[in-house]
Amino acid sequence: EAGVVQSPRYKIIEKKQPVAFWCNPISGHNTLYWYRQNLGQGPELLIRYENEEAVDDSQLPKDRFSAERLKGVDSTLKIQPAELGDSAVYLCASSGDVAQETQYFGPGTRLLVL
Amino acid sequence: GDSVTQMEGPVTLSEEAFLTINCTYTATGYPSLFWYVQYPGEGLQLLLKATKADDKGSNKGFEATYRKETTSFHLEKGSVQVSDSAVYFCALGAGNQFYFGTGTSLTVIP
Repeated sequence: EAGVVQSPRYKIIEKKQPVAFWCNPISGHNTLYWYRQNLGQGPELLIRYENEEAVDDSQLPKDRFSAERLKGVDSTLKIQPAELGDSAVYLCASSGDVAQETQYFGPGTRLLVL
Repeated sequence: GDSVTQMEGPVTLSEEAFLTINCTYTATGYPSLFWYVQYPGEGLQLLLKATKADDKGSNKGFEATYRKETTSFHLEKGSVQVSDSAVYFCALGAGNQFYFGTGTSLTVIP
């Protein structure tokens, strides 16, 4: 069974440029999460989807971040414009259902904003 | 609110040494507890979990017991290997919410 797929693995951009990350969750997983992981820290939730609905986006900086999960499968996280402080690893995770609680993580996208 | 606190690292051990990484939690309900491991350049992988008090999760020689009386979920391994070098995250899952500790870096030297 394929795991959570993310692309790109690495991205270097200049500040004020836009950037987008893509995630394909494990087949059949309805719940999808986007996390940001700063260096030396644990992951922090940005947004959680149940199917195509964003049910928790309280930690998403909505002035520059946006996300979508059309058709309830793949998801895209976008930053526009990027700032220096956005440099981090962006992790996508999925789970079969909320009751299971176990999340399966992708390899992440390492973003560097210059 | 719910939270997880784990011991700060880094931790450096010789091969075959005993490992303990402490994790305590605060929760209003009855959470599930997890240990995730992150190898260099990779995403987080589930190492083990426990869903209720007194449960013991185990995998790859690692163990952790869900202790409600001490609100703890300490990770242990009797004999570490060089390949165990990684960052270990304790996490708490309570229904819709998931909280991670800050991670403990482990380096095992031959």
